[in-house]
Amino acid sequence: AQSVTQLDSQVPVFEEAPVELRCNYSSSVSVYLFWYVQYPNQGLQLLLKYLSGSTLVKGINGFEAEFNKSQTSFHLRKPSVHISDTAEYFCAVTETGANNLFFGTGTRLTVIP
Amino acid sequence: NAGVMQNPRHLVRRRGQEARLRCSPMKGHSHVYWYRQLPEEGLKFMVYLQKENIIDESGMPKERFSAEFPKEGPSILRIQQVVRGDSAAYFCASSGQLPSTDTQYFGPGTRLTVL
Repeated sequence: AQSVTQLDSQVPVFEEAPVELRCNYSSSVSVYLFWYVQYPNQGLQLLLKYLSGSTLVKGINGFEAEFNKSQTSFHLRKPSVHISDTAEYFCAVTETGANNLFFGTGTRLTVIP
Repeated sequence: NAGVMQNPRHLVRRRGQEARLRCSPMKGHSHVYWYRQLPEEGLKFMVYLQKENIIDESGMPKERFSAEFPKEGPSILRIQQVVRGDSAAYFCASSGQLPSTDTQYFGPGTRLTVL
């Protein structure tokens, strides 16, 4: 069965500092991985996704993530955060042929001026 | 180029009433998904539909909940005889192709409050 773990429920970070949001998954088959961002009272917006190929995936707003199959991880990183990055971030996984996404419980990123 | 549209954005119901949530997918998309987000939790899959067909409803509660995606018009998520535990944000997503590889685009959600 699939599952997604986001160990950090809240991550405060100072403006212009780097940040890493952790995501680990479990699955017995090949997976596709996604990071979504949710701003207050809005829907989810796709940041980036990994389907195949290069394990380093670049997304919008300067974010990137690295797929590590041996560690079953897909951590999200940004070298320098802005105030506007304050939001909830969700990691999601789906398996080949599946009909839906499995989401983690989210990480609330707060950027401190 | 309109995205996924949901209405209403906020819905208040008293216990025992019915709630109808509507979702219009992105233009050209024929796959619709409904997810529920309880407070302080991630999104949980409810149902996956294509036009006039329910493909996967493994995440739907067995009673009181139903969904449809008619040939014409938006997809509807219907909750009968709502209870306080139904209070949540309900998100609709759509995709143009196979759900496992194609990006799902999310609407802004409907926040249901049951009094």
